[in-house]
Amino acid sequence: EPEVTQTPSHQVTQMGQEVILRCVPISNHLYFYWYRQILGQKVEFLVSFYNNEISEKSEIFDDQFSVERPDGSNFTLKIRSTKLEDSAMYFCASSGLRWWEAFFGQGTRLTVV
Amino acid sequence: GESVGLHLPTLSVQEGDNSIINCAYSNSASDYFIWYKQESGKGPQFIIDIRSNMDKRQGQRVTVLLNKTVKHLSLQIAATQPGDSAVYFCAENTRGSNYKLTFGKGTLLTVNP
Repeated sequence: EPEVTQTPSHQVTQMGQEVILRCVPISNHLYFYWYRQILGQKVEFLVSFYNNEISEKSEIFDDQFSVERPDGSNFTLKIRSTKLEDSAMYFCASSGLRWWEAFFGQGTRLTVV
Repeated sequence: GESVGLHLPTLSVQEGDNSIINCAYSNSASDYFIWYKQESGKGPQFIIDIRSNMDKRQGQRVTVLLNKTVKHLSLQIAATQPGDSAVYFCAENTRGSNYKLTFGKGTLLTVNP
């Protein structure tokens, strides 16, 4: 069964450092997303990406965040200068024509120290 | 602001019983309401959706009910099994947003053998 894969599973970084979270969405999907979840809390939308451009982004997704789909298979989230409050589980997701039926990866736990 | 929320944070049921998980929403402009299941250490997993012009939809062992009058959504799980133990989130899209899901806070369902 096709699945969304994310790497790494856990990333520890120092405050102020740049991190890149990587995702391989399901191959024939059209829509791509990043969500995050602070421990024990709800899942929060960060950004949606369709047709090679950002479709929508939340207020969390400020100038420190960026996304890329460099080669038609990978989908990355970059945080330029991490802050302590960026510590969370980051989920990549993708979907087909039924865009609201999103398939989520296992997540990358980002810890900023 | 937040427009989707849960009535109860935890629900404990006996194996074989039926479970009902509730969700209140405040945004009347949503097209779809969706239930996701999140098992420990995993990403959310799509369960079932319902369009805003419907009031009931059935899947395999699950039924979603939508009451637009009181802005209430529920997920019924028949013959609950230990594998149903997870956090359940309701989510909605918002008409006019571009491929964005807004998740509620989640209900932890525990199934006792």
